[in-house]
Amino acid sequence: AQKITQTQPGMFVQEKEAVTLDCTYDTSDPSYGLFWYKQPSSGEMIFLIYQGSYDQQNATEGRYSLNFQKARKSANLVISASQLGDSAMYFCAMREVTSGSRLTFGEGTQLTVNP
Amino acid sequence: DAGITQSPRHKVTETGTPVTLRCHQTENHRYMYWYRQDPGHGLRLIHYSYGVKDTDKGEVSDGYSVSRSKTEDFLLTLESATSSQTSVYFCAISAGQGNTYSNQPQHFGDGTRLSIL
Repeated sequence: AQKITQTQPGMFVQEKEAVTLDCTYDTSDPSYGLFWYKQPSSGEMIFLIYQGSYDQQNATEGRYSLNFQKARKSANLVISASQLGDSAMYFCAMREVTSGSRLTFGEGTQLTVNP
Repeated sequence: DAGITQSPRHKVTETGTPVTLRCHQTENHRYMYWYRQDPGHGLRLIHYSYGVKDTDKGEVSDGYSVSRSKTEDFLLTLESATSSQTSVYFCAISAGQGNTYSNQPQHFGDGTRLSIL
């Protein structure tokens, strides 16, 4: 079974609007972490935000926030006030305690911000 | 930016030849990783290292070997390259001491585009 599922291959949003990128995960570990990365067309992987399974509050980093719903096993990335520079591929990843320091990545969502 | 250098950045080679990709870090991080990125598959872990001379396999390790003789260098070798190994290869590093790595993100190098003809 897929450990990380990103069901939206492509998403479009108007500049200055908010957008939610979906991520669902599958694990039986009680302790795990969820990460989001951005990959612009230039190819580098940029770490955006982290959410731990025991964190009481949803993570936020500037315009990025994570809508963490543990019971539903979802960790959706919310980007507020989209900018043209947000156009990129976005990857959700999970670290399980039984997997050590390794990450498992989803297939990604291509976000396009329209002017 | 994390101090990670991948070399070469681009390489074209022929089937059956050996290929070695190098990842060099200046962060003194314990953990290092090699991934490949292919359309429709996201990033998949090839091998990783949790210390000098300590390595383990990832989900797509067949046809690849690694070595880590120094903290700062992690080498990925394709002993006899095949066309199916044409891909973009990323090195990543993460900090941590002992088992304290849970909230440490992995930071990535800029990638190596490898084409095997």
